Amino acid sequence: NAGVTQTPKFQVLKTGQSMTLQCAQDMNHEYMSWYRQDPGMGLRLIHYSVGAGITDQGEVPNGYNVSRSTTEDFPLRLLSAAPSQTSVYFCASSPGDRLAFFGQGTRLTVV
Amino acid sequence: RKEVEQDPGPFNVPEGATVAFNCTYSNSASQSFFWYRQDCRKEPKLLMSVYSSGNEDGRFTAQLNRASQYISLLIRDSKLSDSATYLCVVNRPRNQGGKLIFGQGTELSVKP
Repeated sequence: NAGVTQTPKFQVLKTGQSMTLQCAQDMNHEYMSWYRQDPGMGLRLIHYSVGAGITDQGEVPNGYNVSRSTTEDFPLRLLSAAPSQTSVYFCASSPGDRLAFFGQGTRLTVV
Repeated sequence: RKEVEQDPGPFNVPEGATVAFNCTYSNSASQSFFWYRQDCRKEPKLLMSVYSSGNEDGRFTAQLNRASQYISLLIRDSKLSDSATYLCVVNRPRNQGGKLIFGQGTELSVKP
């Protein structure tokens, strides 16, 4: 039972490049979320999903896309990376609207 | 006003000290409350849920005051290993999106 698995753990992108951060959970949780964490800002919700085929925007969705084709996977796509997207990204899954189990995070630098 | 606000840190305390963290939330419809712990460069992990009657887990005591929309975490007999950032977390109910809202965190440093 791996819990929540995020890949990659580290990534450097050039401005304008695109990439996908992967997130997978094996706990059959209905809720999955993506957060970014910046110094002094805490965890801010980017996008979330309450089940396969259902996604919604969080607090800071601009520049990011998500999809939820299966219960297990919730990838986050950066369409055209910008330096402002340099951050630590966490994926989380939840059995409902309470609690959250986090992946180990992806440290992204956009140069 | 932020939906969840915590004491600004950092808190620097000696081993053995008692330290208290405070948190306020603005959404009166919130029903679930948690404290998470985050070690440096690691993911947040659930420390404890917060119940209306207050609850204790070893050296940690959490309390909730719904009338004042206030949550607290008390750590007694601080250990070096308690050094971390403590995150106050509040849920929005399902009819408001069912999201978890995180405070910005309070950093604790326990010194020998």
